[in-house]
Amino acid sequence: DVKVTQSSRYLVKRTGEKVFLECVQDMDHENMFWYRQDPGLGLRLIYFSYDVKMKEKGDIPEGYSVSREKKERFSLILESASTNQTSMYLCASSFQSGGPDTQYFGPGTRLTVL
Amino acid sequence: AQKITQTQPGMFVQEKEAVTLDCTYDTSDPSYGLFWYKQPSSGEMIFLIYQGSYDQQNATEGRYSLNFQKARKSANLVISASQLGDSAMYFCAMRVNTGGFKTIFGAGTRLFVKA
Repeated sequence: DVKVTQSSRYLVKRTGEKVFLECVQDMDHENMFWYRQDPGLGLRLIYFSYDVKMKEKGDIPEGYSVSREKKERFSLILESASTNQTSMYLCASSFQSGGPDTQYFGPGTRLTVL
Repeated sequence: AQKITQTQPGMFVQEKEAVTLDCTYDTSDPSYGLFWYKQPSSGEMIFLIYQGSYDQQNATEGRYSLNFQKARKSANLVISASQLGDSAMYFCAMRVNTGGFKTIFGAGTRLFVKA
């Protein structure tokens, strides 16, 4: 079974702090994704990566950066957290192929910025 | 514009009955994939079922089936014989081949199964 883990289930930070969210997958997937989930808006893509050291902006990259130094690990960074970044953050990974590209998700990190 | 629309914010169903969750999509890409995910209160997104745009038959996975109507651009999820454990948020999603590996998600439908 694919396993995607995220470093924290719940996180509380203060405005202006630098925040790191870590995601690790154990299935040797090439693609990794960071989403944020807000009520009524579904999941919105922040960044994705299709290879080590490669990254692409998603739909809402402002205020975020990412790092992928190893294939299994994809980090989301909030350089200076703000209250409007309070949200649920979901990491996902998928196998790069011509097929369905089914994404497998981690349990999520619920971030609160005070 | 590429978009997924789920018009039912919440739905109730009696245990053991079937329920249909609506999903319509919009894309001009001829090749795309449609997914349904379940998100229980624990938060983890669970993949349920996939339908490719060129698949001739509707996808089925156990109690889940996808009613794919290409001309109407709809991809409704049908859950047969609902169980209490089916109470969750359900998301419809679409992957298009243009723009890389992006998958677009709908806003979700919360399903409540009544005993």
